[in-house]
Amino acid sequence: DGGITQSPKYLFRKEGQNVTLSCEQNLNHDAMYWYRQDPGQGLRLIYYSQIVNDFQKGDIAEGYSVSREKKESFPLTVTSAQKNPTAFYLCASRAAALSGGYSNQPQHFGDGTRLSIL
Amino acid sequence: DAKTTQPPSMDCAEGRAANLPCNHSTISGNEYVYWYRQIHSQGPQYIIHGLKNNETNEMASLIITEDRKSSTLILPHATLRDTAVYYCIVRVHSGNTPLVFGKGTRLSVIA
Repeated sequence: DGGITQSPKYLFRKEGQNVTLSCEQNLNHDAMYWYRQDPGQGLRLIYYSQIVNDFQKGDIAEGYSVSREKKESFPLTVTSAQKNPTAFYLCASRAAALSGGYSNQPQHFGDGTRLSIL
Repeated sequence: DAKTTQPPSMDCAEGRAANLPCNHSTISGNEYVYWYRQIHSQGPQYIIHGLKNNETNEMASLIITEDRKSSTLILPHATLRDTAVYYCIVRVHSGNTPLVFGKGTRLSVIA
């Protein structure tokens, strides 16, 4: 089945450690996104990528890094510079805009990774 | 993207229609209305979207007012599994810019 796979489902990090969250999609989508969600809050955008080898910062990019070497993969690294990393992390993807830049296709989401600090 | 206003919470009896309102008074002519829902500890699930005509699919109906300043998501026969946070989002349809999520409406379906 086509979809977005995030792994692991639960992740624990020690203080001062970097950790990488995986996001893979087999939907042939060009655009991919990373969001963070804190308890009782909406989603906040960390980074997004519209095409391979290109990505843009979202609203809360500090302390995070990404890469987009392959179309199907968009891993997120939570660095030691992120002082409050405990949260629910969601990855999404979306079909490319049609030529001329118009697309009303929805974003599809993975089931998330819950990160906690030990 | 235009801001949206939704009530923080609503209750609905099981088997009845759930009508979730959304105000988007500053919506532009080229912005679509999207609805997503998020069941606890899962990723958001796409429900429906529309521009100006009413839309219906197997999950829900979307009613958009003629002036496009508000809309209503209708779940025709709510079940306990429809208990979730529902997000109304308006978005320009050009390019691949991300969706911007607010706090949504927490719908509780009661037996």
